[in-house]
Amino acid sequence: GQQLNQSPQSMFIQEGEDVSMNCTSSSIFNTWLWYKQDPGEGPVLLIALYKAGELTSNGRLTAQFGITRKDSFLNISASIPSDVGIYFCACMNTGFQKLVFGTGTRLLVSP
Amino acid sequence: DVKVTQSSRYLVKRTGEKVFLECVQDMDHENMFWYRQDPGLGLRLIYFSYDVKMKEKGDIPEGYSVSREKKERFSLILESASTNQTSMYLCASSRHEVGPNGYTFGSGTRLTVV
Repeated sequence: GQQLNQSPQSMFIQEGEDVSMNCTSSSIFNTWLWYKQDPGEGPVLLIALYKAGELTSNGRLTAQFGITRKDSFLNISASIPSDVGIYFCACMNTGFQKLVFGTGTRLLVSP
Repeated sequence: DVKVTQSSRYLVKRTGEKVFLECVQDMDHENMFWYRQDPGLGLRLIYFSYDVKMKEKGDIPEGYSVSREKKERFSLILESASTNQTSMYLCASSRHEVGPNGYTFGSGTRLTVV
């Protein structure tokens, strides 16, 4: 099945650093979502993006929907230990019943 | 607080056993999904259901079956468990047309087959 290309696959950073991860697709989608999965839990929705070029923030998180509608990035500023987890991008088009997921970025934060 | 509940957080089963993983949602969602998650492979869709008694194969249905007798419950069945089915299993649900809230996931069941 189709999956999105998500990079990097993993990151190990120091507390306080900024983080950036991105997601690309060969197809156009009109909605992009970003999820976070805490260790041992299911993914939880962080941010949803609906318009090409849209920039949305949620606390220390900022996500953008690429102008070509084929990519998105997620930034985390001033990382803290509780940011540890796996971050997934996902996308869909209107009327879809299923999301397409990225392969995930594993984030480790050193205190 | 709306949620998706998976009956077990951890399971250990023997090779050849029939295994049932249960998932219940309280959001009156039409769609329900079963994924397995393995390191480096992301989320792979096993089966999904968009209505009671309806099911469709996902990307990796081999060795699995599902049952949806009631709208709120979606069961994943491993007919004869094998060691390569050791994995994290995630259940999710959504509205018929996946809207801006995406999927709601359960906490997962970590299955070990020995």
